[in-house]
Parts: sequence; C-alpha cells; structure tokens
Amino acid sequence: DTAVSQTPKYLVTQMGNDKSIKCEQNLGHDTMYWYKQDSKKFLKIMFSYNNKELIINETVPNRFSPKSPDKAHLNLHINSLELGDSAVYFCASSQDPGIGRTEAFFGQGTRLTVV
Amino acid sequence: AQSVTQLDSQVPVFEEAPVELRCNYSSSVSVYLFWYVQYPNQGLQLLLKYLSGSTLVKGINGFEAEFNKSQTSFHLRKPSVHISDTAEYFCAVTPSNAGNMLTFGGGTRLMVKP
Repeated sequence: DTAVSQTPKYLVTQMGNDKSIKCEQNLGHDTMYWYKQDSKKFLKIMFSYNNKELIINETVPNRFSPKSPDKAHLNLHINSLELGDSAVYFCASSQDPGIGRTEAFFGQGTRLTVV
Repeated sequence: AQSVTQLDSQVPVFEEAPVELRCNYSSSVSVYLFWYVQYPNQGLQLLLKYLSGSTLVKGINGFEAEFNKSQTSFHLRKPSVHISDTAEYFCAVTPSNAGNMLTFGGGTRLMVKP
C-alpha cells in the first residue's frame, strides 16, 4: 500500500483555470505538508497542517489554499493559475514532533503544467 | 532561518568508484539534518538522518554521512557506487524544536557511468 498518494500524477491546464491536487496518507501521521519543486529542482515548503490547523503558511500567493477534510487528507487548491505555477508539487506527512519525531514521507509528486 | 548549500550541482563518477556529495548549512538554532534521494520521476526517499549522538550516521543503500558541527557540514559518502545510484540527492535541515519544515539545498545530480 502506498503511504502517501497524490492525484493526479500529471496535470496540464490553461492559464486562469482553477485546479485541485489531492493527497492522502495512510500512516496515521498528524502533520501533512505541501512542497513545490521548480524547474531547477529547487524544493520549497508551502504549507504545513497539523490536526486540521494550519501551523505555518509560507509566503505563497493566496491563490493557493490547502484544505484538510480530515487528518489523512490535505488537498491543494489553486485559483487563477499562472504560467509560473508550473512545477512539481509534493505532498508529505510526518508524525507530530511533540509525540515523537519521525522523518517526512513524500508522495510521488504532481507535475503541473500551465499553458 | 536556515539555509542549505550543496556545493556541486552535478557529480559524474564511474561505477564502483567512491563518491562524496557535499552539504553545508547555516542556522541560528539547533537543527536536524537529512539526506533524501529522488530517482527520475519519483518522489523523495529518506537516505539517512542525523538527530543527535554519533556524528557518523549510516543509511540505506550503503550511504553514510558525517555531521561536522564546527564546519556546519553534513557530507554524504558511499565507498563504491552502482549505476542504480544515479539520481538527484538533496540535503535538508529542520529546526530541532519544529516538525519537518524542511529547508532543502539545491540538489546534486549523481551520474554513475559504466
């Protein structure tokens, strides 16, 4: 069974559209994250969610919004897509460090291409 | 705030040769350090981590890394590489009092030649 799964794996869309990327983890972790990897392979944290609460929000445009219906899911909604949003988006999860530190487990990534 | 510098963007090496991938970091607080590997079109997989204790840590696939606090380095090594080690390698840090809010380096592409 896949620990952290993302859908879709590839997403091609036009500028101005609104899209969502789904993420699910079956590890029982308390914290989930979204990372963005740009065309130069540079990885940067976007969001972190713990028990349905946003605990940090990096300086990303407000067109990006994470939504967590439950502890096992953290979806990424993107409004009014722009060319610069083209990247690979990775979801990750880890156990709450207050309980015990574990490493972050990453999904396979979603390659978003805005045309 | 933390920053991570991977000094080599690409490292070509012949099969069965040793390799070292360099990583330096800066931080005003205590950090934990990680190395992740990304195979083509795949997600990131943890190779090894340093949290505390012995400064030499061993990971999967025969990799090891040494934490050097005075030089703020965490270099990754393998004594003999295989073709299958060809991948992108990322060094990352996170504050020891936080979760996995990882700050990544720019990555090093290891290219193993036959």
